[in-house]
Amino acid sequence: EPEVTQTPSHQVTQMGQEVILRCVPISNHLYFYWYRQILGQKVEFLVSFYNNEISEKSEIFDDQFSVERPDGSNFTLKIRSTKLEDSAMYFCASSDSRRTEAFFGQGTRLTVV
Amino acid sequence: AQKVTQAQTEISVVEKEDVTLDCVYETRDTTYYLFWYKQPPSGELVFLIRRNSFDEQNEISGRYSWNFQKSTSSFNFTITASQVVDSAVYFCALSEETGSSNTGKLIFGQGTTLQVKP
Repeated sequence: EPEVTQTPSHQVTQMGQEVILRCVPISNHLYFYWYRQILGQKVEFLVSFYNNEISEKSEIFDDQFSVERPDGSNFTLKIRSTKLEDSAMYFCASSDSRRTEAFFGQGTRLTVV
Repeated sequence: AQKVTQAQTEISVVEKEDVTLDCVYETRDTTYYLFWYKQPPSGELVFLIRRNSFDEQNEISGRYSWNFQKSTSSFNFTITASQVVDSAVYFCALSEETGSSNTGKLIFGQGTTLQVKP
C-alpha cells in the first residue's frame, strides 16, 4: 500500500541551526502539506503546496520556514534558524485532491536544545 | 470562523464497552468535509473516515460507526465492543471547500485520548 515516508524519524539540533525535514509523498498525489504537533497538543496546519507553489500558509509559517519540491518525489520543510519552541512532531501529508483525505507520514520528532 | 471542538479530553473504558467520541464543528461554508484520524501510541496519524457535508448518512465499518448531524453540527464516532488496541488519541478534523481556504487544509480538534483497559 502506498505511503508517505518521512526522514529522519528523530532529529536533535542546537538552537539557531538550520534543519531540513524530508518527505516522500504518495507518488500520484498532487497536494502536499506540513503540519506540526507540539507534545500533547493538537495537530496544527503549517503550509499547503500545489503546482509547485505555496497555496496557503498559517501564521506559524513565518520567514524562518520554507518548503521545496526539489525533484519529482521529495517535499522538504526547512527551518532556517531553529528556536526552542520549534520542538515538535512534524508531519508531512499528501492527497490526490483538496477534497479527499490526506495521508500522513509517521512524523519527524524535532528536538531543539 | 472554522473551528473543531472535542470536548472530551480523556475517556477511560473497560474492554468490550461501547464508547462515543464527540465532535462539534463550526463553519460558514455550505460545502465542507469532516474527518476522523487515529493517533496510536506510536505517533502516526491514521485516516479513519471522510464525510462530505451533503452526505448525512451514518456509516458503519466493523466496530466503528459515525453519526453526522448537520442540525447540531456534530460528527460523533462510536466504537462498539472496545478493545485494548483501540487505545489512542482520536482527532476530528474539518476541511472547507470554498471561502478563504480551499487548499485542503485540515483544522483539527484538540483530540480525545481513549484508554481501553483490559
